[in-house]
Amino acid sequence: DQQVKQNSPSLSVQEGRISILNCDYTNSMFDYFLWYKKYPAEGPTFLISISSIKDKNEDGRFTVFLNKSAKHLSLHIVPSQPGDSAVYFCAASGSGGSNYKLTFGKGTLLTVNP
Amino acid sequence: GAGVSQSPSNKVTEKGKDVELRCDPISGHTALYWYRQSLGQGLEFLIYFQGNSAPDKSGLPSDRFSAERTGGSVSTLTIQRTQQEDSAVYLCASSFFGGVGTDTQYFGPGTRLTVL
Repeated sequence: DQQVKQNSPSLSVQEGRISILNCDYTNSMFDYFLWYKKYPAEGPTFLISISSIKDKNEDGRFTVFLNKSAKHLSLHIVPSQPGDSAVYFCAASGSGGSNYKLTFGKGTLLTVNP
Repeated sequence: GAGVSQSPSNKVTEKGKDVELRCDPISGHTALYWYRQSLGQGLEFLIYFQGNSAPDKSGLPSDRFSAERTGGSVSTLTIQRTQQEDSAVYLCASSFFGGVGTDTQYFGPGTRLTVL
């Protein structure tokens, strides 16, 4: 069973517009959430994270929103740039004692068109 | 500074052969992780090393998989008698102290394993 779900395999947006990537989770024990970005032939790189005690975290053009009651988080990128084109993975940790384990979604391929 | 490095970057092997994948973590990082990403899937946790503690092997899919970390640094993931379902990208990550999800994990570029 998938505990972290990214239901949109791909997303295409115009440069300068907002990109919204969504993620849902089922495990209520998760208490820390992360977004990673991955370019082809490279490893994932950490982008932004949020603790379950917050509902928003912002870092430059990137904002992550957490809705615990809905078990839903989203990543907003404003304004989107062509260099943002990559696969974005949502990940979660905090399930029980092994909270170093990250549980990942399948990823969403974002394409930002010039 | 240097990031996490992995070798080889690509490995093609025949079913039934053994393979070894290597990971060099970031210097000074005490925690090391192995994940794998099968086609169309997210990253799947395999194993975690932290300092001199016993590793968490709970993610290893079968007893054909093993890993070791020598001297608290380099790690080797070994897959014996490879099967076609082992084909995936194997990713290594390291973090400064481990133990908590808030300790950022830095990933290497991965080894793409293809079992024919």
